[in-house]
Amino acid sequence: AQSVTQPDIHITVSEGASLELRCNYSYGATPYLFWYVQSPGQGLQLLLKYFSGDTLVQGIKGFEAEFKRSQSSFNLRKPSVHWSDAAEYFCAVGASGGYQKVTFGTGTKLQVIP
Amino acid sequence: DGGITQSPKYLFRKEGQNVTLSCEQNLNHDAMYWYRQDPGQGLRLIYYSQIVNDFQKGDIAEGYSVSREKKESFPLTVTSAQKNPTAFYLCASNALDSNQPQHFGDGTRLSIL
Repeated sequence: AQSVTQPDIHITVSEGASLELRCNYSYGATPYLFWYVQSPGQGLQLLLKYFSGDTLVQGIKGFEAEFKRSQSSFNLRKPSVHWSDAAEYFCAVGASGGYQKVTFGTGTKLQVIP
Repeated sequence: DGGITQSPKYLFRKEGQNVTLSCEQNLNHDAMYWYRQDPGQGLRLIYYSQIVNDFQKGDIAEGYSVSREKKESFPLTVTSAQKNPTAFYLCASNALDSNQPQHFGDGTRLSIL
């Protein structure tokens, strides 16, 4: 069965500092990986996705993620965090094409301090 | 603009009452999904539908029902059999003919009176 682990429930960073959010997955074949962001009381917005090709994926809002098959990881990074990045971030894994059986992690809540 | 509209944003249910959450999309997507979100638990799949007049149970379907009479619409009914309905409910959709991710609505928060 597929699964996703986000080991950090809550992370606090200073504005302007770099950010890395961890994600480990379990999936039997080549995974289809996503990072979503959620502001309080809102739906999920896609930041980036990986299916194949270059293992370093660029997304919106200056985020990037790197797929490392040997470590079963898909960590999200941003070189300089802005106060508006404060939100909850979800990593997800699923199958490509057709109906998507997507499994979400439990989320990492990011707090940004001035 | 294309997107997914969920209504209402807030909903209150009395004991023994059924309530229906609306989800409409104008993205021409084939597949639609309902998720339940509880604090610290991520998203859990309730039901999904790949085509009109067909739908399948997800991981936590008990106490819920859906219909898919139109491509654009996928309403979710929370029945009185769902003993712990307080949660944030999210509707999503995606196209089936390409590797496209799911798009989400802004959610409905359901509470018990």
